[in-house]
Amino acid sequence: GDSVTQMEGPVTLSEEAFLTINCTYTATGYPSLFWYVQYPGEGLQLLLKATKADDKGSNKGFEATYRKETTSFHLEKGSVQVSDSAVYFCALSTSGAGSYQLTFGKGTKLSVIP
Amino acid sequence: NAGVTQTPKFQVLKTGQSMTLQCAQDMNHEYMSWYRQDPGMGLRLIHYSVGAGITDQGEVPNGYNVSRSTTEDFPLRLLSAAPSQTSVYFCASSYFRDLGTGELFFGEGSRLTVL
Repeated sequence: GDSVTQMEGPVTLSEEAFLTINCTYTATGYPSLFWYVQYPGEGLQLLLKATKADDKGSNKGFEATYRKETTSFHLEKGSVQVSDSAVYFCALSTSGAGSYQLTFGKGTKLSVIP
Repeated sequence: NAGVTQTPKFQVLKTGQSMTLQCAQDMNHEYMSWYRQDPGMGLRLIHYSVGAGITDQGEVPNGYNVSRSTTEDFPLRLLSAAPSQTSVYFCASSYFRDLGTGELFFGEGSRLTVL
């Protein structure tokens, strides 16, 4: 079945540091890939997405590129802020396969200190 | 714009009690779903619905019932609560046309503790 593996946390960075959160996936068909973010005490919200190979999703300074050859969708940000402290979830959905769910990774907690 | 609204936000139950978690959305989304979030486990799908009168099981359906009598509402019922059902529950919805490539909209969550 489909699965998503993302790096274990927690990750603690100083403000303005570079961020990478690794995500790899296993899926049949041609998945769409997502990063969701969960701020403390809130529900998840979509951060960015990519629907086909070599697409780059970007939002709020975060980027991720859909790499089919390495089955990866790593999240990056050049300079993190305290306000980026949250839990980040990588997820996939396989379109056209009759599945009606997203498959999530276990989440990576990021803490950014001033 | 309210989006996805879940009630209650917090609930404590005793083993064997029953309760219903409510979920309502005002975006006319056909697709609605329930997830549970446990430490180190990510989010796991419990049940989902693609329209009024249509429901199906997800990855972890045991101990939970759902129904979908209207487009707006998708309640989750625990008939006989167990400590293993202590978790944070999220309701999420989407347009059916966006499934696979679009965004799921999440509620703020309901934290349930079963003693």
